[in-house]
Amino acid sequence: EAGVTQSPTHLIKTRGQQATLRCSPISGHTSVYWYQQALGLGLQFLLWYDEGEERNRGNFPPRFSGRQFPNYSSELNVNALELEDSALYLCASSLGGWVWEANYQPQHFGDGTRLSIL
Amino acid sequence: DQQVKQNSPSLSVQEGRISILNCDYTNSMFDYFLWYKKYPAEGPTFLISISSIKDKNEDGRFTVFLNKSAKHLSLHIVPSQPGDSAVYFCAASGGGGSQGNLIFGKGTKLSVKP
Repeated sequence: EAGVTQSPTHLIKTRGQQATLRCSPISGHTSVYWYQQALGLGLQFLLWYDEGEERNRGNFPPRFSGRQFPNYSSELNVNALELEDSALYLCASSLGGWVWEANYQPQHFGDGTRLSIL
Repeated sequence: DQQVKQNSPSLSVQEGRISILNCDYTNSMFDYFLWYKKYPAEGPTFLISISSIKDKNEDGRFTVFLNKSAKHLSLHIVPSQPGDSAVYFCAASGGGGSQGNLIFGKGTKLSVKP
């Protein structure tokens, strides 16, 4: 069974540009989550999508956005990039659907996209 | 304010012995707890989870214990193997608007020496 796949592996951008990160969940998983791991910090929750809808959002500015496609894959978009956005961005997927069920399903992670802002 | 704390940044254990990794949490609304293992340059790998209605869950060499009154959980690995050397993260979820959101500790680096 293929795991969560993320692309690209590395992405280099300059300040003010936009970045698009992609994620394909495990087959059968409908929930996709995005996390940021900045240097020296733990994993911070960004966004949760399920059945094409944004279900929850972490404490990040609106320039962090995303979407989920009908095939459950997802994109994370970061606009007006700042130096502090340099981080490892991890995508995870899980079985889900209803909020209370998703709470009790383990999330399975991809290997991440390393975003570097110059 | 850290809601999930792993107070030991590192742990060293001899092969074949027990590894015990600890995690404390502050939010009593958390009702689902998970452990992940992470190797360098890879994403976290799910190991084992426990819901708040249980106090123990076992999967092979891995056992997670939950003490709700103390807001404490631990991961036991028996016997420890060199391949277990990795960073271990504790995570929690549940309660109110945190649906779907895992809160992670900062991790404990386990080294298992042959």
